[in-house]
Amino acid sequence: KQEVTQIPAALSVPEGENLVLNCSFTDSAIYNLQWFRQDPGKGLTSLLLIQSSQREQTSGRLNASLDKSSGRSTLYIAASQPGDSATYLCAVWTYNTDKLIFGTGTRLQVFP
Amino acid sequence: NAGVTQTPKFQVLKTGQSMTLQCAQDMNHEYMSWYRQDPGMGLRLIHYSVGAGITDQGEVPNGYNVSRSTTEDFPLRLLSAAPSQTSVYFCASSYSPPNTEAFFGQGTRLTVV
Repeated sequence: KQEVTQIPAALSVPEGENLVLNCSFTDSAIYNLQWFRQDPGKGLTSLLLIQSSQREQTSGRLNASLDKSSGRSTLYIAASQPGDSATYLCAVWTYNTDKLIFGTGTRLQVFP
Repeated sequence: NAGVTQTPKFQVLKTGQSMTLQCAQDMNHEYMSWYRQDPGMGLRLIHYSVGAGITDQGEVPNGYNVSRSTTEDFPLRLLSAAPSQTSVYFCASSYSPPNTEAFFGQGTRLTVV
């Protein structure tokens, strides 16, 4: 059974810092890994999708890497801003299942 | 392009009442799913569908029913609501693997009293 873990559960940093959020998964036979952002009381917004054949994806100040063999992904946020404050979730789609399994998320607060 | 639309946004039910949460997508996605989100538990998969007429159970299916008569719609039914079903419910859709970028609705906040 696929299990997805995110560390840390919460993070509070001053504006301008570079951040790394971690996601680990137990079954490396995945189609892809997706990072989402969730603002309080809102739905999930897709940030980055990394296919299993890719090592990383970039969008603006966000960079996500994938090491499938070790079951790990990191989301790097450069020059953090207060507007980055949200919960960040990762999710994986495993081979031979029809299920997208989520981690419990990292709640990020960036203060001015 | 509306994406994934969920209704209602908020609902209060009494224990034992029934209701249907609606989910519709306009992206012609084969795959649709329902999750519930509870504090400290993340998103847990309730039911999913890989296409019209095909549904299956996720991690926490008890107390919920689904059907998929069209590609666009995937309603979630609570037959007899219980306080343990108080949660925020999200519907998602995507194409089939491997192109499975998932898109989510804005959620339904359900309270069962």
